[in-house]
Amino acid sequence: DIQMTQSPSSLSASVGDRVTISCRASQSIGDYLNWYQHKPGKAPKLLIYAASTLQSGVPSRFSGSGSGTDFALSISSLQPEDLATYYCQQSYSNTYTFGQGTKLEIK
Amino acid sequence: EEQLVESGGGLVQPGRSLRLSCTGSGFTFGDYAISWVRQAPGKGLEWVGFIRIKTYGGTTEKAASLKGRFTISRDDSKSIAYLQMNRLKTEDTAVYYCTRIGRYYYDNDEYYSFDYWGQGTLVTVSS
Repeated sequence: DIQMTQSPSSLSASVGDRVTISCRASQSIGDYLNWYQHKPGKAPKLLIYAASTLQSGVPSRFSGSGSGTDFALSISSLQPEDLATYYCQQSYSNTYTFGQGTKLEIK
Repeated sequence: EEQLVESGGGLVQPGRSLRLSCTGSGFTFGDYAISWVRQAPGKGLEWVGFIRIKTYGGTTEKAASLKGRFTISRDDSKSIAYLQMNRLKTEDTAVYYCTRIGRYYYDNDEYYSFDYWGQGTLVTVSS
């Protein structure tokens, strides 16, 4: 099975900061990589698919990059409502593995 | 508006069975694969499995750790997908989400992502 590893596990940043979360796949997955935002008590929300394509309605401060085994999710200017846990997920194989999550806290 | 609603969660004893339902609305249910994802207390998201559309045989894929205990099925006439959980263990305690697997086309390629999610249903396995 393809393993997905995110770093860091948690992150604290200030409003207005640029934030980057990394995700590494255990084998090459091309650009078959999704990012999700999960706020407490809410359903997870799709942010990015195909590694870098923003889902409709997602603010442009979110961006994704990478291909092969190394990927990143960036938030250009952190907002208070971005408090959440972020997950990467591979869609290269039929097992749709998630990373372990990165908990983003606002200072 | 596309919507998914889970039901059937609750408290169940170890070793017993439980069936969760996922009812879709606002889209043609039979045109989409449906997946189940769970989140144990204090843990991350864990993919459980998915069921393909009838055009692709309605076959299923499941996480290796759950094979043999969990079964996924669907009734497109009712716009419902099911997760049958047998021989439940305390470590199956989690919020269970159903999701729609959307197909997206970009740069002449096809991509799959979990584009709509239900609010989740809590399953507690305890004696």
